[in-house]
Amino acid sequence: DTGVSQDPRHKITKRGQNVTFRCDPISEHNRLYWYRQTLGQGPEFLTYFQNEAQLEKSRLLSDRFSAERPKGSFSTLEIQRTEQGDSAMYLCASSFGGWGSPLHFGNGTRLTVT
Amino acid sequence: TQLLEQSPQFLSIQEGENLTVYCNSSSVFSSLQWYRQEPGEGPVLLVTVVTGGEVKKLKRLTFQFGDARKDSSLHITAAQPGDTGLYLCAGALLYSGGSNYKLTFGKGTLLTVNP
Repeated sequence: DTGVSQDPRHKITKRGQNVTFRCDPISEHNRLYWYRQTLGQGPEFLTYFQNEAQLEKSRLLSDRFSAERPKGSFSTLEIQRTEQGDSAMYLCASSFGGWGSPLHFGNGTRLTVT
Repeated sequence: TQLLEQSPQFLSIQEGENLTVYCNSSSVFSSLQWYRQEPGEGPVLLVTVVTGGEVKKLKRLTFQFGDARKDSSLHITAAQPGDTGLYLCAGALLYSGGSNYKLTFGKGTLLTVNP
């Protein structure tokens, strides 16, 4: 169990640029989640996959955001035309099993939009 | 509107003191999880409580799930500097006829234990 890994750890970009983050979940986990966390807040749900199917998207996920999980393994989160309000920590988590299963989080990607 | 309200938002205490933090909601949860998060890292699960009235102990930490499964508390005995961190509660809500669930987090309690 190597844990959930996220890349990059930090990303600084200029407003208007596109960015892409990668998450590698724990290999046997079938569920993968993306959360966003800003200073002083708890993680806010963005979207989740069961295997390769994206089952739910939050209203926080505007049309500038897109997430994929090809082949049900790693996932990418892309933000197009970044805005300063997108600055946050983007957390990925994975789990195995049904409701109540604990989430295993990565250490996040810190995005700063200047 | 925040689904899960955590209190206090900030807590600064001296080493050796006891403390309790709270997690409250008007919703009934299928289960509730507590996580601890340290700066620059992702949250790490501490415990899951499922049954109303359930009490779980993890060394000096005691977790309780309310009888109605709407609230929970975390009590730390003889706090140590290593307990410093952001404590998050997260409630699991079932939907789609119970075939799916969503985990919603509170804003957290930022605990600082001073030596």
